Amino acid sequence: KNEVEQSPQNLTAQEGEFITINCSYSVGISALHWLQQHPGGGIVSLFMLSSGKKKHGRLIATINIQEKHSSLHITASHPRDSAVYICAVRITGNQFYFGTGTSLTVIP
Amino acid sequence: ETGVTQSPTHLIKTRGQQVTLRCSSQSGHNTVSWYQQALGQGPQFIFQYYREEENGRGNFPPRFSGLQFPNYSSELNVNALELDDSALYLCASSFGLSGQSNYGYTFGSGTRLTVV
Repeated sequence: KNEVEQSPQNLTAQEGEFITINCSYSVGISALHWLQQHPGGGIVSLFMLSSGKKKHGRLIATINIQEKHSSLHITASHPRDSAVYICAVRITGNQFYFGTGTSLTVIP
Repeated sequence: ETGVTQSPTHLIKTRGQQVTLRCSSQSGHNTVSWYQQALGQGPQFIFQYYREEENGRGNFPPRFSGLQFPNYSSELNVNALELDDSALYLCASSFGLSGQSNYGYTFGSGTRLTVV
């Protein structure tokens, strides 16, 4: 069993739709990260959460520490949001467990 | 501020050969972590270097080894390459080992290794 589970694995949405990606984890963490990976491999860190909720532009991330669950929301989705979104939890030091990613395709 | 730079970006090797991948950490960072990402999978932790010493290792065999230099750049070496070693290898740098240190965790764009 993976320490970090994401759902869905694949997601196709029409431009403008509201999108939710979920992440559940089974280990004690010091922080949770949402990462964006575009074709070619480069990873961009979107959010780091240890509690509550954060918002950046059209992206919103929430975490419930008690339930060991986090969600990434994208409002008014756009084709440029198409990417793989990865949930990663930080355990000791700077070591991470990663989810397998959610591949998002936004169709114009 | 510079980001994390990995080289080469792409590499093709033959089974049994050895490979060295390089990572230049972001300015001000002293910790480097290496990850292997197989196609369609999330990254898997290989090992971490802090101030030139290995500080944690994932479930990878000894033929995966590394180094960190005084300028905090790092190398990942893989001996006796196997076909399953084909993957994207990601490097990430940060400052220190505190679980609270963040916003300074920067990934490189990766090296795509193909073993034939």
